[in-house]
Amino acid sequence: SQELEQSPQSLIVQEGKNLTINCTSSKTLYGLYWYKQKYGEGLIFLMMLQKGGEEKSHEKITAKLDEKKQQSSLHITASQPSHAGIYLCGAATGNQFYFGTGTSLTVIP
Amino acid sequence: DGGITQSPKYLFRKEGQNVTLSCEQNLNHDAMYWYRQDPGQGLRLIYYSQIVNDFQKGDIAEGYSVSREKKESFPLTVTSAQKNPTAFYLCASSTTGGSSPLHFGNGTRLTVT
Repeated sequence: SQELEQSPQSLIVQEGKNLTINCTSSKTLYGLYWYKQKYGEGLIFLMMLQKGGEEKSHEKITAKLDEKKQQSSLHITASQPSHAGIYLCGAATGNQFYFGTGTSLTVIP
Repeated sequence: DGGITQSPKYLFRKEGQNVTLSCEQNLNHDAMYWYRQDPGQGLRLIYYSQIVNDFQKGDIAEGYSVSREKKESFPLTVTSAQKNPTAFYLCASSTTGGSSPLHFGNGTRLTVT
């Protein structure tokens, strides 16, 4: 099965600081998905990356997929309390979707 | 608005009882999935279904059962054979083919004592 490793496991930042979350795959990624989850709720889809070197942005969140398509990073610029939550990367293998263990982000006002 | 509805949000059961978690979608998606989420372990796939009347086991299917009699519905039964049933359960759906993302429900937190 696809294995996705995320780092760091948890992150505490001061409001206004930038941060990066990484997702590394044991296999070539043919589609990498980033999700955000608030505690006790479902996952909200953020972005999907498919091509090597691809970069997408939504508001203050930017995600990149490396050229080899085995690593993705999620970067948040000028973090706000609304960015707090768990960020998960996911990938599809055939008909199945797999997820990383998640990165818990706390933003201190 | 289209979406996925999981009910109830919280469920409490005594050990030894079977319990069924509901998942309904009105997105007209063919594929549906059940995941279990435990602290520090991310999401683990229990069962998935690509089409009505067909479903496949995921990585942790033991102690669970599903049915897919209607496109809109994919209920999950947690049986008494599941050794550690207390967890947060998430249902998701997607279109098949291509690379569509999963859409998730808001989850059901099951506590078995």
